[in-house]
This record gives sequence, C-alpha cells and structure tokens, in this order.
Amino acid sequence: AQRVTQPEKLLSVFKGAPVELKCNYSYSGSPELFWYVQYSRQRLQLLLRHISRESIKGFTADLNKGETSFHLKKPFAQEEDSAMYYCALTSPSGGSYIPTFGRGTSLIVHP
Amino acid sequence: KAGVTQTPRYLIKTRGQQVTLSCSPISGHRSVSWYQQTPGQGLQFLFEYFSETQRNKGNFPGRFSGRQFSNSRSEMNVSTLELGDSALYLCASSPGASGTVGDTQYFGPGTRLTVL
Repeated sequence: AQRVTQPEKLLSVFKGAPVELKCNYSYSGSPELFWYVQYSRQRLQLLLRHISRESIKGFTADLNKGETSFHLKKPFAQEEDSAMYYCALTSPSGGSYIPTFGRGTSLIVHP
Repeated sequence: KAGVTQTPRYLIKTRGQQVTLSCSPISGHRSVSWYQQTPGQGLQFLFEYFSETQRNKGNFPGRFSGRQFSNSRSEMNVSTLELGDSALYLCASSPGASGTVGDTQYFGPGTRLTVL
C-alpha cells in the first residue's frame, strides 16, 4: 500500500530564509506526486506536480526515486507563503488514479 | 468557471442520525471525489464517482455511501452517525477522463459536520 509521510507538522522560518518541506513516500510502482496548499480561509488547491516539472510561486520540487522523496523547496520564503502544505501521491485504481495525502506541514513565515 | 460548491457548509447532527451532503463540480468535470479531513487522520479518501458510477472506494465502513447524478452533481450519505464522524468533508472534482494520470483535483470549501 502507498504511504506519504510529511515528518514535520510545523515549520517556522523567517522571511527571506530558505524553506524545505519534506515529503517521503512509499510506493512500489512509478509514482505521480503533487503538492497541495491551503492558505488561511481558502480551499485546498494544487501547488505543483512533478510531471510538469514547473516552478510555482518560487517553489520547486524534485522527485528523488532513490530516496523516495519529493521535497518542496523555495530559496527565499515570503510571509504570504504561510499555509498548510500537503504532499500527495496518486496511484492507479479502478481505471483512474486516487491520491493518498500526507498529514500536512504548517509553514509559518515570520516577518 | 464557477468553482466546486458544497452544501451545506455547516451541519450539526446527533448520534444515530443520518446526513446527506451535496457537491456540485466545476462545469464539464465528470469525476467527483470525497474526502474526510480530521486533525487526527488528516485527509482520507472516501470514494470517487465518474459518470454516475463509483470508480474507487477508500477504507471506510458501509455507513458511508454516495452517488452521482447525470449532471455530475454528487451526494454523500452517512448513516447512523457516530461521534467520530465529526470532520470536514471535502469534495473535489476533476475532468476525470479515464486513465488520466495526474489529473488535477479542484476542491470545494468543505462541509463541517459536527456530531453530538
């Protein structure tokens, strides 16, 4: 069975500092990984996905199959990055793909 | 396009009652998924519907059920409510073409269910 682990419940940094939110996964197949974000009083939304290899709002994430990780990084944190971040893995099932979410990491960026 | 909408936004029920939650997906989206979010367990997948058929189901008891209508709107029902069913229930829609890996899910605001 697949599993997604986000070891940090809370990450607190100062504005301008680098940020790395950790995500480790356990899955025997070829994973599809995502990061979702939930800002205060907003709904959960997709931040980025590894198949797109994109950078969104300065965030990047690289899939490391050897370490089974998909850490989210940003070189210089901004106060508006404060939010709850969820790592998710999708696996094929029943003709579609269902996601398994990590427990989430709350990022607080102090001024 | 209008986003995913969920009704009601808040609900208070007592143990033993049943509840029905509603989700209207983004226009054109055919897949609707339901999740339960709690502080203890995080986001857990309940089930997914596509073209009025349940395509996937998570590890929840049979008290949790759902359905999807021809216009892709979906409802989920929880019967014989227990205190532990208190949670935020999220609905998400996606275009849902079969076999589409990495389909982005668009989430609704959720329904906050409190069971007393």
